[in-house]
Amino acid sequence: RKEVEQDPGPFNVPEGATVAFNCTYSNSASQSFFWYRQDCRKEPKLLMSVYSSGNEDGRFTAQLNRASQYISLLIRDSKLSDSATYLCVVKANNNDMRFGAGTRLTVKP
Amino acid sequence: ETGVTQSPTHLIKTRGQQVTLRCSSQSGHNTVSWYQQALGQGPQFIFQYYREEENGRGNFPPRFSGLQFPNYSSELNVNALELDDSALYLCASSSGTGGATGELFFGEGSRLTVL
Repeated sequence: RKEVEQDPGPFNVPEGATVAFNCTYSNSASQSFFWYRQDCRKEPKLLMSVYSSGNEDGRFTAQLNRASQYISLLIRDSKLSDSATYLCVVKANNNDMRFGAGTRLTVKP
Repeated sequence: ETGVTQSPTHLIKTRGQQVTLRCSSQSGHNTVSWYQQALGQGPQFIFQYYREEENGRGNFPPRFSGLQFPNYSSELNVNALELDDSALYLCASSSGTGGATGELFFGEGSRLTVL
């Protein structure tokens, strides 16, 4: 079993749609959780951290369920510029950030 | 831009050869992590260097080795290249061993093709 598993995608949605990505992790000792975004042929960049109580950043909402070892990312009112691969990242200790394989999103006009 | 620079950007090697990839970390960052990203996959953690010492390693064989220099720049060396080593190699810098916010600042990567 992979340490971090994500929806395989791809997700193709129209502009304005709401889309949700799921992620599960296997290491119950994981401490911190993040979503990164990677544009085509570019480097990954931090989108947002994920806190136990859930958190929002504009149109983006992240949630964490430690008991189920599950993380989600919700994007509301999708924009063309949201098209990218979204990477779920789990940090078990200070040294090791584990990335999922990513979920590819294409937002169409 | 992140301020993390990697070289070379692209290179082609043949099986059995050796390669050295270089990374300059962002100003003020003392930690460099290396990742391998195969096509269609997420980045896989190779190892991390903190203050010139290896500070964690992923599931990669010993032929993957590295260095960090006093100015915090870093090298990744891969010996006895195999076809499966073809990938994008990403360097990420951070402040502290994981970064207080978990934010890694990635370079644009070195794309290695092994023939």
